[in-house]
Amino acid sequence: DTAVSQTPKYLVTQMGNDKSIKCEQNLGHDTMYWYKQDSKKFLKIMFSYNNKELIINETVPNRFSPKSPDKAHLNLHINSLELGDSAVYFCASSQERIAGGGTDTQYFGPGTRLTVL
Amino acid sequence: QKEVEQDPGPLSVPEGAIVSLNCTYSNSAFQYFMWYRQYSRKGPELLMYTYSSGNKEDGRFTAQVDKSSKYISLFIRDSQPSDSATYLCAMKRTGANNLFFGTGTRLTVIP
Repeated sequence: DTAVSQTPKYLVTQMGNDKSIKCEQNLGHDTMYWYKQDSKKFLKIMFSYNNKELIINETVPNRFSPKSPDKAHLNLHINSLELGDSAVYFCASSQERIAGGGTDTQYFGPGTRLTVL
Repeated sequence: QKEVEQDPGPLSVPEGAIVSLNCTYSNSAFQYFMWYRQYSRKGPELLMYTYSSGNKEDGRFTAQVDKSSKYISLFIRDSQPSDSATYLCAMKRTGANNLFFGTGTRLTVIP
């Protein structure tokens, strides 16, 4: 069973469209994250959600909005897509509700490769 | 300046070689240091984890942290073709979920 899954795996769309990427984790973790990995492999956090509460937002344009229907899901909605949004988007989850001691290992999904034409 | 700097490589070594991967950082508040391995078209997976300064060994892998120099290393002994991947260092502060990643070093081990 896949611990963290994402759909779709590939997404090709036109500029200006609105799209969503879904993420599900079956690990019973309390915190979920979205990361963006650019063409140079640089991985940067976008959001984290804990118990339906946004706890990190790293200067991401408000065209991006995370939606968490329940603890096991964190979907990413993107409005008015731009060329610069092309990247691989990774979902991740971790056990810790409040980060601190312990490994708080983040488990990553397989990624969604978004291409904006 | 990025908070975490990592030589992107690429790095090619023959099978059996010792590999050294390194990262430097600027934020002295980082206390937790990790190495992730990412195979092509896959998500990163945690390889090694170290808290504060010191060494940690796991099989062929050794992670070192030198907080005084703000420098961390990952050593791979007896490298195998299956070690070919991109290796990303990551770190975080106490009390924070936010991981700061290096840009990754692409490693190829040639049989």
